[in-house]
Parts: sequence; structure tokens; C-alpha cells
Amino acid sequence: GQQLNQSPQSMFIQEGEDVSMNCTSSSIFNTWLWYKQDPGEGPVLLIALYKAGELTSNGRLTAQFGITRKDSFLNISASIPSDVGIYFCAGRARTYKYIFGTGTRLKVLA
Amino acid sequence: EAEVAQSPRYKITEKSQAVAFWCDPISGHATLYWYRQILGQGPELLVQFQDESVVDDSQLPKDRFSAERLKGVDSTLKIQPAELGDSAMYLCASSWGLAGVYNEQFFGPGTRLTVL
Repeated sequence: GQQLNQSPQSMFIQEGEDVSMNCTSSSIFNTWLWYKQDPGEGPVLLIALYKAGELTSNGRLTAQFGITRKDSFLNISASIPSDVGIYFCAGRARTYKYIFGTGTRLKVLA
Repeated sequence: EAEVAQSPRYKITEKSQAVAFWCDPISGHATLYWYRQILGQGPELLVQFQDESVVDDSQLPKDRFSAERLKGVDSTLKIQPAELGDSAMYLCASSWGLAGVYNEQFFGPGTRLTVL
């Protein structure tokens, strides 16, 4: 099935560093969601975006809805060990169906 | 805090056997989704319900998979017969409705299926 491209696929960072990741689509979306998934668990919703250009924060996390409506970005500031996991984006267009990204695997070195 | 409930959390079965997964969405959520997630990939939609009606089951392998939500609340996903390639995490999610803003999906903890 269709999946959105997420970049980077994986990253190792030092504790305290900032993290940036993005998600791109060939289609225009009107909703973007960002999730974090720990091993063996279901995805947990982090941030929801509904308007092009929108910038939304949730604690140390900030996400943006791209101006072109074909991409979205997630930033994590001052990373900590519990930020380890897989981050997924999900986008929705006019249909009621969400398309998920391929995931960015984050590993934090203490 | 309201959560999506799923059971069982883990299921091991032999190929050709039947398996069933149960999901109870967040109270009041009219839309329910079943996803399959293969290790290392993002979730892929199998079937989507609005109340008791199927909205999208285009990716559901209907020769072996079935899903129902008889009273528009909880739902069951069945596989019969199971095949080796069905080994995956099966995730249930729910949302207030199909469309409109502020209509986020919330996921349950998932059922990890292993087919031997």
C-alpha cells in the first residue's frame, strides 16, 4: 500500500541535542498527524495539524504543516532518553483515509 | 483518561487456524479503524467503520479476513484460515467521526499475531 516518505529513516543523537525530521507526499493533504510508537505498543498521538503553515507545539515537540500542503516537519528540542522510539507521520486528503509514513527511528545516546 | 482497548495483546497460532481480535473504541467515537502493521513499516488500513457500516474495506483480503461492528460500538476482526504472512501487529483506532477538523485517530495497544 501507499506510504509517505519520512526522512531520516533513523538517527542517533546525543542527549540534549535537537532533532528534526520530515514527511513528504506527492499528494496534497488537509490534515497531518504525528505519532510516537514504542516497541510492542500502539502509536501515541503527539501533534495534529489542520492548516497550511500551522505551527503547533506540545512541550518540547514542535510540528509544522508545510506551505505546499505536501509536507510536514517535526522538531524535538533538548532530547532525553525517553524520546527513543519510532516517529510516524500520517496525512489525510479529501478521503477519510489516513496514509502513514515509513517512520523515523530515533535513538538517544546518554 | 479514555483509551482504546484491544484483546488479546498477543496471539500465537498455527497456519490454517482461525483467529479473532477484539476492539472497544473510546466512548462516543463513531469511527473505528483496523490497521495491520508489519515490523519496520507504518500501519496500513484494513477496514474503516462509521457506526456499524463499513466505509472502506478496499485493502481487506476478503477471502480470509472479515470484520464486524454489529452495534456500532465494539468490533471484531477475524482471520480464517491464518497464513504465515499474516504475522504482524493488528492495531485498532477510533475517532469522533469521518471528516471535519479536530478529528484525530487514537490507537489501542495492538495485538501481536504470530503464525507458525
